[in-house]
Amino acid sequence: QKEVEQDPGPLSVPEGAIVSLNCTYSNSAFQYFMWYRQYSRKGPELLMYTYSSGNKEDGRFTAQVDKSSKYISLFIRDSQPSDSATYLCAMIRTGNTPLVFGKGTRLSVIA
Amino acid sequence: GAVVSQHPSWVICKSGTSVKIECRSLDFQATTMFWYRQFPKQSLMLMATSNEGSKATYEQGVEKDKFLINHASLTLSTLTVTSAHPEDSSFYICSARDVSGNTYGYTFGSGTRLTVV
Repeated sequence: QKEVEQDPGPLSVPEGAIVSLNCTYSNSAFQYFMWYRQYSRKGPELLMYTYSSGNKEDGRFTAQVDKSSKYISLFIRDSQPSDSATYLCAMIRTGNTPLVFGKGTRLSVIA
Repeated sequence: GAVVSQHPSWVICKSGTSVKIECRSLDFQATTMFWYRQFPKQSLMLMATSNEGSKATYEQGVEKDKFLINHASLTLSTLTVTSAHPEDSSFYICSARDVSGNTYGYTFGSGTRLTVV
């Protein structure tokens, strides 16, 4: 079993839809959770980071962490064509350790 | 916010030659940098962890003599692909974290697309 599981998609939604992206993980040592957005041929861009279980909102984005279920989600409200990208979940244990990534989910928002 | 500048963004080289990729942290000191490679439609795979002033730690299966990493200062890390071959063609990305900030998010460079012909 991989440490971080993420459905690679692709996921295609109409403009304005609510998008739900999810990851599960197996190692309870992970403490910090992030979501990155990556456009084609670009480096990943940090969207959200969370530490504790619960929800964190930033504009149209909401990150949700459930440590008891080892499950994290990213919700995108009122999705736009510009949101079309690959979304990667990532997590780390402590300190300056490397990120562990999910496979990434390719999202297309159709106008 | 923290910015990591990576150059070049795109390079083509002949088989057997070497290519150097630079990553600079522009507004923070990066004691640790991470180097990844990414094949098309795949996730990022960690190649090595680079600590300022010491030898890099390579992931299993990554040839340290082929992928030379130097982290001589707190703001600069370089990856040199030596004797490049077509199978080394990939997207290489560096990342670092601004430890002085209050975020645990890592900042990534814009990536380098290497094509070996």
